[in-house]
Amino acid sequence: DTGVSQDPRHKITKRGQNVTFRCDPISEHNRLYWYRQTLGQGPEFLTYFQNEAQLEKSRLLSDRFSAERPKGSFSTLEIQRTEQGDSAMYLCASSLVGRENAEKLFFGSGTQLSVL
Amino acid sequence: KQEVTQIPAALSVPEGENLVLNCSFTDSAIYNLQWFRQDPGKGLTSLLLIQSSQREQTSGRLNASLDKSSGRSTLYIAASQPGDSATYLCAPGGATNKLIFGTGTLLAVQP
Repeated sequence: DTGVSQDPRHKITKRGQNVTFRCDPISEHNRLYWYRQTLGQGPEFLTYFQNEAQLEKSRLLSDRFSAERPKGSFSTLEIQRTEQGDSAMYLCASSLVGRENAEKLFFGSGTQLSVL
Repeated sequence: KQEVTQIPAALSVPEGENLVLNCSFTDSAIYNLQWFRQDPGKGLTSLLLIQSSQREQTSGRLNASLDKSSGRSTLYIAASQPGDSATYLCAPGGATNKLIFGTGTLLAVQP
């Protein structure tokens, strides 16, 4: 168990550019979540996958955002045509459904995005 | 729509004090509730998970209680230490474990 890994840790980009973040969950975990957190606020749910299926998306996830989990392992979150309002910490979390305490979420350290 | 409120927003205590952090939520139809700790610029660490059928959970110096019907949870920290300084977040979860977070309580324990 090496924990949830996110890459990169920090990303600075100019408005209008596209960015992509990667999340590697704990290896046997079948659920993967993306959250967004701005300064002084709690994390806000964006979307989640069970294996490779994307089962729910928040209204926060505009059409500029897309997430994939192609083989049910790692996931990517892409933001197209970034805006300054996209600046936030993007957090990934995973859990294992079907085991005791399956609902316990394990979070990565996040990707801090700054849009200039 | 679930809304979560945490009181107080910030708390500063001397080392050794016992303290209570409060969490209230509007929709009592939850499956569980988790308490997390977040250090500055870092991700979240799960502290305690309480199932909806449970009243409390304990881990070391931490004890979390849940009163689902009244929409309240408390996190009790015994004998606080400077290393406990962090933001504490509560999050009730629904069937898909989509967590709704409060804004947190920023705790500072003074040596």
